[in-house]
Amino acid sequence: DAGVTQSPTHLIKTRGQQVTLRCSPKSGHDTVSWYQQALGQGPQFIFQYYEEEERQRGNFPDRFSGHQFPNYSSELNVNALLLGDSALYLCASSFGTGELFFGEGSRLTVL
Amino acid sequence: QKEVEQNSGPLSVPEGAIASLNCTYSDRGSQSFFWYRQYSGKSPELIMSIYSNGDKEDGRFTAQLNKASQYVSLLIRDSQPSDSATYLCAVSGYSTLTFGKGTMLLVSP
Repeated sequence: DAGVTQSPTHLIKTRGQQVTLRCSPKSGHDTVSWYQQALGQGPQFIFQYYEEEERQRGNFPDRFSGHQFPNYSSELNVNALLLGDSALYLCASSFGTGELFFGEGSRLTVL
Repeated sequence: QKEVEQNSGPLSVPEGAIASLNCTYSDRGSQSFFWYRQYSGKSPELIMSIYSNGDKEDGRFTAQLNKASQYVSLLIRDSQPSDSATYLCAVSGYSTLTFGKGTMLLVSP
């Protein structure tokens, strides 16, 4: 049983560019949450998707957007990248409000 | 704004000792509490969850919750060098988690 898978694992962008990160949830899970973890910090909640809609959102600007597809997979998009967007982006899936399972993350470096 | 506070450490203990990790939270209405272990460069891994006051034991790990004091702790008995990692305390609010910054634990052989 595959767990939560994320792609790409590492990527480098320059300021002002746009990035798309992808996540496939654990089998049987219908809810996907995205977290940003800056170096030396705990993960911070970005948003959560359920039934293809954004159900909750953390304190992140509109440059951060997402999508959930009918197969429950999800994308995180970040526009107009800033140096401060450099972080590990974690996707977590769950069945409803159950236990969260994290993927290995996508490490984004913005130069 | 919900806050979760942890001592950033590092907490250094010798192999075989008990490591004690602490966490306080601000939202008195929080119901679910979690401890995650995160190795350097890896994603968080759930090691303990606790939902009611008191102790919960799982192998070498014991989680303790005191809702009146808004305090959660994790005890690791017989600490091993492989336990060296950052331990994240997380508090749940309707299926989202608020994390602390984590405490780095170093277990020396």
